[in-house]
Amino acid sequence: DTGVSQDPRHKITKRGQNVTFRCDPISEHNRLYWYRQTLGQGPEFLTYFQNEAQLEKSRLLSDRFSAERPKGSFSTLEIQRTEQGDSAMYLCASSLNGAPVGEQYFGPGTRLTVT
Amino acid sequence: AQKVTQAQTEISVVEKEDVTLDCVYETRDTTYYLFWYKQPPSGELVFLIRRNSFDEQNEISGRYSWNFQKSTSSFNFTITASQVVDSAVYFCALSEARGAAGNKLTFGGGTRVLVKP
Repeated sequence: DTGVSQDPRHKITKRGQNVTFRCDPISEHNRLYWYRQTLGQGPEFLTYFQNEAQLEKSRLLSDRFSAERPKGSFSTLEIQRTEQGDSAMYLCASSLNGAPVGEQYFGPGTRLTVT
Repeated sequence: AQKVTQAQTEISVVEKEDVTLDCVYETRDTTYYLFWYKQPPSGELVFLIRRNSFDEQNEISGRYSWNFQKSTSSFNFTITASQVVDSAVYFCALSEARGAAGNKLTFGGGTRVLVKP
């Protein structure tokens, strides 16, 4: 058990609907990452927070995607006007500032299916 | 730009056979880190090992061993005497050393290992 939790674990939505996912990192971890993993592929970086500041966003994060971490604790990832291409596993990871490079603890993911 | 390539998409072996997973990476950084993660059927990524670019010593941990060769930009992973529980998807990953800017991981496409009894 890595301690990172994600909710929901599965989400089925119709094209055009908005969806929001939540990630609760390990409590003392101030760094939080979102990745997307499509079927048969490796995870791809989406965005990164240090405390409440969003410090990096991938070009994969289109205008329909928005991520927040309002109090530097949990984070939400919202997708507006979902498209079938958004179907993927959305992974959250957290780490502690000053921890060894790349030492990220992953949650179980939220699997999104857009019909 | 960073890139990680895992040419083998799937490997099938019989229990107790050895299996080697290939990983080739590209980066312009002189300081970087390489990783292997395991993703069992449950889906959660499990960290296996981290190596930095200055340490080319091979490493062994139980039935797992890793071979890092900077000259060929490769970081291969061998499972000795494979077991059914080793069945999973294995990912190689790369990270720059960016300090406070965060350390995003760049993953390869993964290799699915199926160990048959």
